[in-house]
Parts: sequence; C-alpha cells; structure tokens
Amino acid sequence: LAKTTQPISMDSYEGQEVNITCSHNNIATNDYITWYQQFPSQGPRFIIQGYKTKVTNEVASLFIPADRKSSTLSLPRVSLSDTAVYYCLTQGSSNTGKLIFGQGTTLQVKP
Amino acid sequence: GAVVSQHPSRVICKSGTSVKIECRSLDFQATTMFWYRQFPKQSLMLMATSNEGSKATYEQGVEKDKFLINHASLTLSTLTVTSAHPEDSSFYICSATRGGVAYGTDTQYFGPGTRLTVL
Repeated sequence: LAKTTQPISMDSYEGQEVNITCSHNNIATNDYITWYQQFPSQGPRFIIQGYKTKVTNEVASLFIPADRKSSTLSLPRVSLSDTAVYYCLTQGSSNTGKLIFGQGTTLQVKP
Repeated sequence: GAVVSQHPSRVICKSGTSVKIECRSLDFQATTMFWYRQFPKQSLMLMATSNEGSKATYEQGVEKDKFLINHASLTLSTLTVTSAHPEDSSFYICSATRGGVAYGTDTQYFGPGTRLTVL
C-alpha cells in the first residue's frame, strides 16, 4: 500500500502557480519526501526532495510543515509542458529505500 | 549526470517467446537497481530490487521464475520475461541508485521505459 495520499487530478492555466499537497501521516522519523514527474510513456523524473521546512530548486519548491505529516509541491508559473502525473513518495530506512508509488496527481495545464 | 538507459525502447513478440530488457546506468555506478511495471492509466508497481552480484529480491506476487533478473555489473541489470503471454504486455521501467548514502536521500534515477507487446 502506498504511504501517501494525493488528489487524483488538478487543473490549472498557463502562468499560474500550482500547489499539490500530499498527505503522509505515518511518515517515519528518518524518511525523506520525494516528488517525481512522469509524462506518458516515459520513466519518472526526479523533481525535488526534502526532509523538513522548505526546499527550492530551479523547477519547484517543497514545503514541509513541522509535523511532517504532509508536504506541498509548488510549481511556479506552469506551462502546457508541465502537464503530467506528479507522484509524492516517502523514502528511507523504513522501506529500505524502495519507492512505493501511489496513484499520483494528474495535472492538466490549459492554455 | 545520473542517466539511465533502457534497451529496447519497445518490443513486440509472439506468445511463448522470451524477451530480455537491458537497463544501464551510463555515468555512474549503480549498487542497486529496481524494476517496475506500469499498466495503462495506472501507477508504477515495484517488481523487484536488484543488487550487483546477488540475487534479486522480488515483491510479493511477482513470479521470480517468469521475470528473471540479472545484475552482473555495477552498470547493467537485465530483466528477462520468460514464456511471455499477452497479459505480460506492459511498460517496464528500471531505476538505479548510487548507494553509499542514507536510504532517504538515495535518489532513484529512472530509465525511459520499455514497451512490451505480446501477441
């Protein structure tokens, strides 16, 4: 069973900021939170990873509250090419590094 | 850096034949590789974990005699689907990790996937 829960789908428009929230109520102390992006017929692509507070890279930001029971992936100013499935996963010693994928969030960006 | 390739990208075979899929880490040594299967409109399902030089660990419900995994070097793992049947048609994806760091930060880098169609 996946350890995370996300909305099944989200719609947005070009240029908007998109926030996808993921719930991981039973995250283990040493687990990290990792987000992947997948386009149709392609392998997932690593987006960002974090443990607590805020992490930012060139493509996204990840916000993690103090209790770490949820996290929010923020995509600034999305474009049509950001239409994809986004997966939130917890990763760590509790699962020996294995990634158990949930259903993910299908983001549809409209013009 | 951290590029993973798969070959072939797509394969069509007749029922009863065996198909081999290769997964290579091109610019790093992968201590661990993972194999996933993905059916249309579904999420990735982990099939097995492969460590170089040792037997693969299969997830519950995955037949190890049907899905043979060999991880002979730090840059190559192969998945052989033996006696393939139409229900084995799927998108097979591998991933690789560098190892040597804590599980939580050991990023998995995914290959582009292999589309298998069994007629």
